[in-house]
Amino acid sequence: QLQVQESGPGRVRPSETLSLTCTVSGGPLNSSHHFWAWIRQPPGKGLEWIGSVYYSGSTYYNPSLKSRVTVSRDASKNQFSLQLISMTAADTAVYFCAGGSFSIGVSGYLEYFPVWGQGTLVTAAS
Amino acid sequence: DIQMTQSPSSLSASVGDRVVITCRASQTITNCLNWYQQKPGKAPQLLIYAASHLQGGVPSRFSGSGSGPDYTLTITSLQHEDFATYHCQQTCRIPTTFGPGTKLELK
Repeated sequence: QLQVQESGPGRVRPSETLSLTCTVSGGPLNSSHHFWAWIRQPPGKGLEWIGSVYYSGSTYYNPSLKSRVTVSRDASKNQFSLQLISMTAADTAVYFCAGGSFSIGVSGYLEYFPVWGQGTLVTAAS
Repeated sequence: DIQMTQSPSSLSASVGDRVVITCRASQTITNCLNWYQQKPGKAPQLLIYAASHLQGGVPSRFSGSGSGPDYTLTITSLQHEDFATYHCQQTCRIPTTFGPGTKLELK
């Protein structure tokens, strides 16, 4: 059964860089059946997609964060990572990594997230 | 970006009730609509994908429907474990966006 688990610091100083890693188990990172994503949730608020990396190596980012975000993968370690530069208090959130799947049917190509990590709270504070 | 709204924002119901949660997109989305359940302190769990497809392992009392910009999640015969927050998500356009959530509480 595919599982993902976040790791990284719980606190980052404002203006510094957040680095999180997601370890994939139960299946290969380098699978054409899945893609990988980071999603965050500020305390008491809704979910915000950050970015995704695909089997092809292509990456896509939320335009609201694109200038500050990098999502990368390391197939040799079965991990993918998030870097978010220039952290501010507004970036304080629970960060989730997720495994995405897709279906191709009468409605075309559709994506969804069946696999989620437990989430890690990251606070931007000195 | 496609904006997602949900109604109601909160809902009180009793065990055994039937509830309907609505999600509306700011433009037509062709069934690229997913529903998640989230309990406090936990990650979201996929319930429905592609508007009406039940994710494996999810009880059949959950169902989804809709078309165009309007979609619904229906829970028949509420169980204690169903009291949670429900989020919809569109994946038709980048960036994928989520609704603000509907909190389902025990009456």
